[in-house]
Amino acid sequence: DIQMTQSPSTLSASVGDRVTITCRASQTITRWLAWYQQKPGKAPKLLIYRTSSLGSGVPSRFSGSESGTEFTLTISSLQPDDFATYYCQQYNTYTWTFGQGTKVEVK
Amino acid sequence: EMQLVESGGGLVQRGGSLRLSCAASGFTFSSYSMTWVRQAPGKGLEWVSYITSSSSTIQYADSVRGRFTISRDNAKNSVLLQMNSLRDEDTAVYYCARWEGVVEVAFDIWGQGTMVTVSS
Repeated sequence: DIQMTQSPSTLSASVGDRVTITCRASQTITRWLAWYQQKPGKAPKLLIYRTSSLGSGVPSRFSGSESGTEFTLTISSLQPDDFATYYCQQYNTYTWTFGQGTKVEVK
Repeated sequence: EMQLVESGGGLVQRGGSLRLSCAASGFTFSSYSMTWVRQAPGKGLEWVSYITSSSSTIQYADSVRGRFTISRDNAKNSVLLQMNSLRDEDTAVYYCARWEGVVEVAFDIWGQGTMVTVSS
């Protein structure tokens, strides 16, 4: 099975900071890589799909990219509403795997 | 508004059974594959099960295969998860999510979740 290793597990940042979260796949995967944001007590929300496409209504400060088996979520300028937990997720032929999550907290 | 609403969660004894339901509205339910994803308390997300729009393809995570059964009723716009032989490690919030497998290839709509607690 494909494993997704997400880092860091926790990230302390301030409003206005540039934030980067990384997800590394255990083997080469397709570009079917998505990112989700989850706030406490709420369902996850789709942020990025197909590695770099912005979900509906998602602010442009969010972006996604890839380099080989490493996928990155970047928040260009962290806003108060962005403090949350972020998950990557890959899809490969009826197999879905999530990363362990990255909690973005107030520094 | 596109919406998914789960129900059926609760407290169940180890070894017991529970049936979760997810009601869809605001989109053409019969055109989409659906999934269940769970989240144990304080933990990350885990995909559980998948069913195509016509129920022709069904998949399960290894952790639930043989114990859980997914099904759907397109006439009632609902997807079900029958959970048998429940274990402590099945304690989690269970989310149903729409799988958009053509354009986004992602879980694009999520329900609010329903809590399942397995106790001895």
